[in-house]
Order: sequence, then structure tokens, then C-alpha cells
Amino acid sequence: DAKTTQPPSMDCAEGRAANLPCNHSTISGNEYVYWYRQIHSQGPQYIIHGLKNNETNEMASLIITEDRKSSTLILPHATLRDTAVYYCIVRLNQAGTALIFGKGTTLSVSS
Amino acid sequence: DTGVSQNPRHKITKRGQNVTFRCDPISEHNRLYWYRQTLGQGPEFLTYFQNEAQLEKSRLLSDRFSAERPKGSFSTLEIQRTEQGDSAMYLCASSFIDRGNEQFFGPGTRLTVL
Repeated sequence: DAKTTQPPSMDCAEGRAANLPCNHSTISGNEYVYWYRQIHSQGPQYIIHGLKNNETNEMASLIITEDRKSSTLILPHATLRDTAVYYCIVRLNQAGTALIFGKGTTLSVSS
Repeated sequence: DTGVSQNPRHKITKRGQNVTFRCDPISEHNRLYWYRQTLGQGPEFLTYFQNEAQLEKSRLLSDRFSAERPKGSFSTLEIQRTEQGDSAMYLCASSFIDRGNEQFFGPGTRLTVL
């Protein structure tokens, strides 16, 4: 079973920041937080991952609370192409570990 | 295009028939995964290969399902005696041993069993 809880849907205006929350209260010390997204009719796409420090890449920022029980994925300037299902996944940072997906958050970006 | 490719993209079959899907991972990726996704749900893990060795299988992979990766490159997933409940998107992903965290997914094969 997925170890994370996400809101089923969120809306965001184009050009504004999209903040997607995720609760993972049972995360263990050696588990990472990963984010993937799935645009309609495509396979999932890796976005970002982190352990306890905040992370940023060209796609997004990941903010993890100090107690690591929750995190927020931030898309700083959402575009229509960011409309997708966003999955928050908790897993060990080991090659070969399967991804356990929940139902994710459907983000709808509108103009 | 050097991404993960899957063929066919769509497959319609009648109940009881056998089907086979192919996945070509990113070259040099030695790890390959199969997932299944039904409507409205996230992908579910089916099985995982490291090179040609099948190292993990989910309980979802019933005895009607078999996966191979004979030369450690492309992989096939076969479903025998298909049932309507097998209708789903079958996704393949690959990763590289030194970058094992990030799995790159293909576009999937959508199976419809009539």
C-alpha cells in the first residue's frame, strides 16, 4: 500500500505557483520522498527526490518539513503543460526498488 | 529518440487469447521494470529484471503472466488466456545501475480484452 496521502485534485492558474502537498507520517529514516507526474496518455515522468534537505532542479522545488512527515512540491510558474497527475512516493534510495504509486493529485492548470 | 519504447501501443484481443508486449529500454540501462495501470489508479508493480535475471515478481503476476529479458536488452511480457480483468495499460520502465533512483517510463501498451 502507498505510504503517502495526497489531495485528489487541485487547480492552479497559469503563471502562478502550484504547491502540491503530501503527507508521509510513517516515513522511516532511510526513506526518500520522490515525485513523479503522469500527463494524460503518457508514462510517468520523474520530477525530483529528496531525503531531508530542500531540493531544486529545473522542473520543481521540493520542500520537506523538519520532522519529515510531510512535503510540498512546488512548480514555480505553472503552465498548461503541467496539467497532470502528480504522485508522491516514499521509497528507499536503492536501485531496483519498485515504485509504489497511490492515486496521486490531479493538477489542473487553466488560463 | 533514445527513450523507452513499447510495442504495440494498443492491443485489442478476445478473451482467452494470448498476447505479447515488447519493451525496449534505454540502451545501457540494465534494470527493467513492468507495471500495470488500470483506469483511475496509479501504476502497480509487476516484475523487475537486472540484466537478464528476473529478481522480483509481484503477487499480481499470476501464472498466466510471464516476462522475459533473454539477452538483458529488450523484454517481453506475455499474458496467456486473457481475461477481461487484464484490460489495463502496461508500462515498462528502465534505470541504470549507477543511477538507480530514477526510472524512465515508456508510453505504455493499452490492452483491451473483449
